[in-house]
Amino acid sequence: AQTVTQSQPEMSVQEAETVTLSCTYDTSESNYYLFWYKQPPSRQMILVIRQEAYKQQNATENRFSVNFQKAAKSFSLKISDSQLGDTAMYFCAFMSPSGYALNFGKGTSLLVTP
Amino acid sequence: GAGVSQSPRYKVAKRGQDVALRCDPISGHVSLFWYQQALGQGPEFLTYFQNEAQLDKSGLPSDRFFAERPEGSVSTLKIQRTQQEDSAVYLCASSFGGDRGRGYTFGSGTRLTVV
Repeated sequence: AQTVTQSQPEMSVQEAETVTLSCTYDTSESNYYLFWYKQPPSRQMILVIRQEAYKQQNATENRFSVNFQKAAKSFSLKISDSQLGDTAMYFCAFMSPSGYALNFGKGTSLLVTP
Repeated sequence: GAGVSQSPRYKVAKRGQDVALRCDPISGHVSLFWYQQALGQGPEFLTYFQNEAQLDKSGLPSDRFFAERPEGSVSTLKIQRTQQEDSAVYLCASSFGGDRGRGYTFGSGTRLTVV
C-alpha cells in the first residue's frame, strides 16, 4: 500500500508571506495522482490542487503551487501571499490510477497570523 | 444538490447504541465513498459504491459497520453496538465516476462521539 508522509504537524506564517508544506510518498507505480486538500474548521475537505505524475509541469492554482519531484517522491505545496482564510488543516493525498481510494497523510495544521 | 450533504452534523451515542449516518451526494454522481477520520489523523477509506453496488468494503473496521445505497443516490452508514473507538468524523465523498484524477467532492462530515 502506498504511504503518504507529512512531516510538519504544525506550521505558522504571517499574513502576506509565503509558506511551503512538505509531503513525501512511497509507491512503485510510475503513474498516479497527487492532491492537496484543505480542511477548515467546517470539516469539509476542499480540493486545493492536483497533479498527474506523468505531467512534468508543476500545477498552479492562483496563490497555490506545487513542487513535484518525481524521483524524490516529493510533492510540496507553496502558498503565496498567505491570507487569514488559509488557516486550516492541509492534507496530502495519493491515488493510484488503477484504484479509487485516496490515501491521505496525517495532515499539517497551518496558522496564518495577522 | 449543489454539494454533498451529510446529516446529522453531530451525533452523541451511548456505548452499545446503534447509529445511522446519512450522505446525500451531488445529483448524478455515480461514485460514493465513506471515510473515517480519527482525531488528529487523515481520513481513512471505509467503503466505495458505484451506483447501488458496493464494490469495496475492505476498509470497514468490523462487522458492526454496514453501508448501503439502495437506489444509487443517498447512502447510509450504520454502526451497530457503538464503542468508544468508533468516535471519529465520518466523511462522505462523491464523483461522476470516470474522473478519478480530478479528486472527489466531500461533505462536511458527521462527528460521532461515543460516551
